[in-house]
Amino acid sequence: QSALTQPASVSESPGQSITISCSGTSSDVGSFNYVSWYQQHPGKAPKLVIYNVSNRPSGVSNRFSGSKSGNTASLTISGLLAEDEADYYCCSYTSKNTLIFGGGTKLTVL
Amino acid sequence: QLQLQESGPGLVKPSETLSLTCTVSGGSISSSSYYWGWIRQPPGKRLEWIGSIYYTGSTYYNPSLKSRLTISVDTSKNQFSLKMSSVPAADTAVYYCARQIFPDYFDSWGQGTLVTVSS
Repeated sequence: QSALTQPASVSESPGQSITISCSGTSSDVGSFNYVSWYQQHPGKAPKLVIYNVSNRPSGVSNRFSGSKSGNTASLTISGLLAEDEADYYCCSYTSKNTLIFGGGTKLTVL
Repeated sequence: QLQLQESGPGLVKPSETLSLTCTVSGGSISSSSYYWGWIRQPPGKRLEWIGSIYYTGSTYYNPSLKSRLTISVDTSKNQFSLKMSSVPAADTAVYYCARQIFPDYFDSWGQGTLVTVSS
């Protein structure tokens, strides 16, 4: 199964907002509200930041938000902080009862 | 506080079987609310879902790996395990175990363990 499509890298200044896209198909992102997002710092395990498209786990900053339109999901981080610099991965449930991750996006906070 | 810890050999020879165990502490693997999953990440590459298991033994696998995979659960030890047969060098990766809210997201992860496939 092919990976969901994410931009390889994005960058923005502290205090600004950034949106990371995650493009799938009608067999995954487009069919289910089962899209999650993970933050991964170098050498660390991934951390869940958004689940079911737009829900934030307890303890995750409200600067993180998620949305979906058609076959594309998005993660928005507002008020960027240096600590937000990390890799971000989207993940979707699929019509074949499997899970598929995106290729990952490296966020640089300039 | 739920904790997951992967354990197993860090070096496996090509064509042999990779075996890992995830020990769950601070919670019961027999909870009806959760599945338990394996995810891997080759060095410098993306995450890849391997497969998941429910405490009853019900499994679902990544179809691209299914023919080589066995995921099992031992509720008496609060552990679940991964076996991947006939490994090539391309199976070199950090392997993570995680708690999963069916059908999709992983809300708690182990620290990961690097498995290198090399002779």
